[in-house]
Amino acid sequence: GAGVSQSPSNKVTEKGKDVELRCDPISGHTALYWYRQSLGQGLEFLIYFQGNSAPDKSGLPSDRFSAERTGGSVSTLTIQRTQQEDSAVYFCASSSPTSGGYNEQFFGPGTRLTVL
Amino acid sequence: SQQGEEDPQALSIQEGENATMNCSYKTSINNLQWYRQNSGRGLVHLILIRSNEREKHSGRLRVTLDTSKKSSSLLITASRAADTASYFCATGLFYNQGGKLIFGQGTELSVKP
Repeated sequence: GAGVSQSPSNKVTEKGKDVELRCDPISGHTALYWYRQSLGQGLEFLIYFQGNSAPDKSGLPSDRFSAERTGGSVSTLTIQRTQQEDSAVYFCASSSPTSGGYNEQFFGPGTRLTVL
Repeated sequence: SQQGEEDPQALSIQEGENATMNCSYKTSINNLQWYRQNSGRGLVHLILIRSNEREKHSGRLRVTLDTSKKSSSLLITASRAADTASYFCATGLFYNQGGKLIFGQGTELSVKP
């Protein structure tokens, strides 16, 4: 079946502009995650949605970052007033409660964000 | 901040040799997972080991977990050029305890033909 998809695959923007990144999780997966990866680094957790529960926003680096998940499916990560340090690859992942209670996550291909 | 520390940061071997990567973490976990990433693309899940398990195999992969030392290792046997990638360990909790994975910095593996 279809995996996690993300759009756009690449985004170049100017400092100070707002950007929106989109994620379509695997159908039926109730959990959705956003991570980002700076050059040469591991993945950094940003935010986590689980069903109708309040999201875990503990990884968001500043109040310029926000995310929403509509209808329990598609998610949008918004970065306002982008800064050069926001440049990174942003990954979305989803997981299913049927994974025996353990949290194997399925990742999208990522959106490469470059802030000039 | 990252929880995991991976060692080595980079590893270069010849095809047919074994590759061993190590991961250490700081807090209690319910499971540890290994992921592979090719050239900055999306991560692919390789194997998950539960906190009550000590060793797990999947094809040419062997993972060990020592919760007393808070460490894990990933062994790839009989490596192939196609195994060239970055490998990340990630620690996780039960699904209903919060979903985020905490990733290490990764080991960059290069397998030369």
